[in-house]
Amino acid sequence: RKEVEQDPGPFNVPEGATVAFNCTYSNSASQSFFWYRQDCRKEPKLLMSVYSSGNEDGRFTAQLNRASQYISLLIRDSKLSDSATYLCVVTPSSGTYKYIFGTGTRLKVLA
Amino acid sequence: NAGVTQTPKFRVLKTGQSMTLLCAQDMNHEYMYWYRQDPGMGLRLIHYSVGEGTTAKGEVPDGYNVSRLKKQNFLLGLESAAPSQTSVYFCASRRSGSEETQYFGPGTRLLVL
Repeated sequence: RKEVEQDPGPFNVPEGATVAFNCTYSNSASQSFFWYRQDCRKEPKLLMSVYSSGNEDGRFTAQLNRASQYISLLIRDSKLSDSATYLCVVTPSSGTYKYIFGTGTRLKVLA
Repeated sequence: NAGVTQTPKFRVLKTGQSMTLLCAQDMNHEYMYWYRQDPGMGLRLIHYSVGEGTTAKGEVPDGYNVSRLKKQNFLLGLESAAPSQTSVYFCASRRSGSEETQYFGPGTRLLVL
């Protein structure tokens, strides 16, 4: 089983739709969780951190479910500019320097 | 601030040639990383450094060497390039602390013929 798993997609959604992605992780001791966004042929950039209580940033909401070992990203009112690959990132345990990246979920928002 | 920069942006090598990729950051970050990204494989960690003068192996270190002689620079070397090393290479840096964000450079596209 991979340490971090994501559905590769693509998720094709119309503009204005709500879309959600999940990411599962295998290490129950994982400490920190992030969502990064990567545009085609560009570097990954932080979208948002994922806290135990969940967090929201505008149209984006991230949730953590430790019992089931997954994190989620919800995008409301999708824009064409949201088209990108969304990477789930996990730090395996406390004191580690490594971040584990999922292979990403590709989102296409259609006009 | 320039953030994280990488040179070169693109390079074509012949099998057996050597080269060095340079990563520089101006954010005074302690940790620096080299990743490679291949289709369907996601980002894989090659080597990383937790401070000036220190380096450690990541997930896929074979065929690569690194050095961190100055805090702001992290060099990735390919001594004898192979076609399997054709990839996009990203450098990243971050502050110490388990919840700190990694900041990425724009990447280097390497083609080994």
